[in-house]
Amino acid sequence: SQQGEEDPQALSIQEGENATMNCSYKTSINNLQWYRQNSGRGLVHLILIRSNEREKHSGRLRVTLDTSKKSSSLLITASRAADTASYFCATRDTGRRALTFGSGTRLQVQP
Amino acid sequence: EAGVAQSPRYKIIEKRQSVAFWCNPISGHATLYWYQQILGQGPKLLIQFQNNGVVDDSQLPKDRFSAERLKGVDSTLKIQPAKLEDSAVYLCASSSAGTGSYNEQFFGPGTRLTVL
Repeated sequence: SQQGEEDPQALSIQEGENATMNCSYKTSINNLQWYRQNSGRGLVHLILIRSNEREKHSGRLRVTLDTSKKSSSLLITASRAADTASYFCATRDTGRRALTFGSGTRLQVQP
Repeated sequence: EAGVAQSPRYKIIEKRQSVAFWCNPISGHATLYWYQQILGQGPKLLIQFQNNGVVDDSQLPKDRFSAERLKGVDSTLKIQPAKLEDSAVYLCASSSAGTGSYNEQFFGPGTRLTVL
């Protein structure tokens, strides 16, 4: 079963704008990860945030985690056309190594 | 470093036929995963191997799906007989075994299966 629900399902923005995607989950987690998937390709790991962390940055990416609300957000700043892809949150539940993925947000960045 | 290899990239079969997918993980990675990704959804874990042993196959439809990783390296996933609802991308991923809480999973390009 899919744990995460992502919001919005689809997002279209102009190059240079910021994109924010949200993820909610249901169970106790060890960490939460964000992946990108370009059309017809496999998934690429972007960033991980542990359950005891509240915010993490990596280049143009900023991730927040609120374990009390069981939610996370991914912010991509100064978006580029190359950021066009689907973005998935994935949780590593406590006691498991496998990931449980959300349903994804399809991001379209218009040049 | 070579990534996760999968073959074939595409497969079209008719329902009730059988099909097999192959995955070669990154060298030295002890953990191997098979995921099913239906169009418009996120990947769903089918089975997880640690070396050649099964760690988690709770979501594998065992009446028609089987997987093996005999020598603890490459793996095959088989569907027999296939149903229309098996149309999906089958993703293989691998990660290194470790005692830490995080082992990044590296994904292959996937096999897109169409069942007619």
